[in-house]
Amino acid sequence: DTAVSQTPKYLVTQMGNDKSIKCEQNLGHDTMYWYKQDSKKFLKIMFSYNNKELIINETVPNRFSPKSPDKAHLNLHINSLELGDSAVYFCASSPTTSGNTDTQYFGPGTRLTVL
Amino acid sequence: EDQVTQSPEALRLQEGESSSLNCSYTVSGLRGLFWYRQDPGKGPEFLFTLYSAGEEKEKERLKATLTKKESFLHITAPKPEDSATYLCAVQTTDSWGKFQFGAGTQVVVTP
Repeated sequence: DTAVSQTPKYLVTQMGNDKSIKCEQNLGHDTMYWYKQDSKKFLKIMFSYNNKELIINETVPNRFSPKSPDKAHLNLHINSLELGDSAVYFCASSPTTSGNTDTQYFGPGTRLTVL
Repeated sequence: EDQVTQSPEALRLQEGESSSLNCSYTVSGLRGLFWYRQDPGKGPEFLFTLYSAGEEKEKERLKATLTKKESFLHITAPKPEDSATYLCAVQTTDSWGKFQFGAGTQVVVTP
């Protein structure tokens, strides 16, 4: 009964490849997020979707494209992977109460290594 | 520009030695301040949400407090299982859903 799940947990790939990370939440939340945690452990938001609509799009290379087929899923596709993309990527979800988002619940992370 | 600063970066405690972690923030308008715990190789685990100055929340050996400029996470009589990185995040009134995280405080509790 995992609340926020991500696949795969580890992803090792060559520079220039295209890869996807999947995220699913069974909490009934309507907002989902992607974060990047770099080697210094700093968590930085990349994207957020509310009811399948993109609401946050930080300064992220357009090689990164999120896709939300429904409000329980948010996938992250990365084209032409670069060495600097190596990091841990976290998915999160939150309910929306009174028109504002609230506490975010995180998945276990996907460690991406680009060789 | 909004800023979230956590101190210290790292903290080594003996079991039973109480201490406090600090999260200071400079934001346009605070909607909420959140504390998370992160164990190595895992995702952040939610601990507390604080919304207004003067608010306090407690859970086992942890107590979080909030003022208009900073939040403290007090760890009372810590045990080795309290070893983790503690993260704080702020959500502002003009950034719908966006959390800004601090860099975290790594806590090690030795027996």
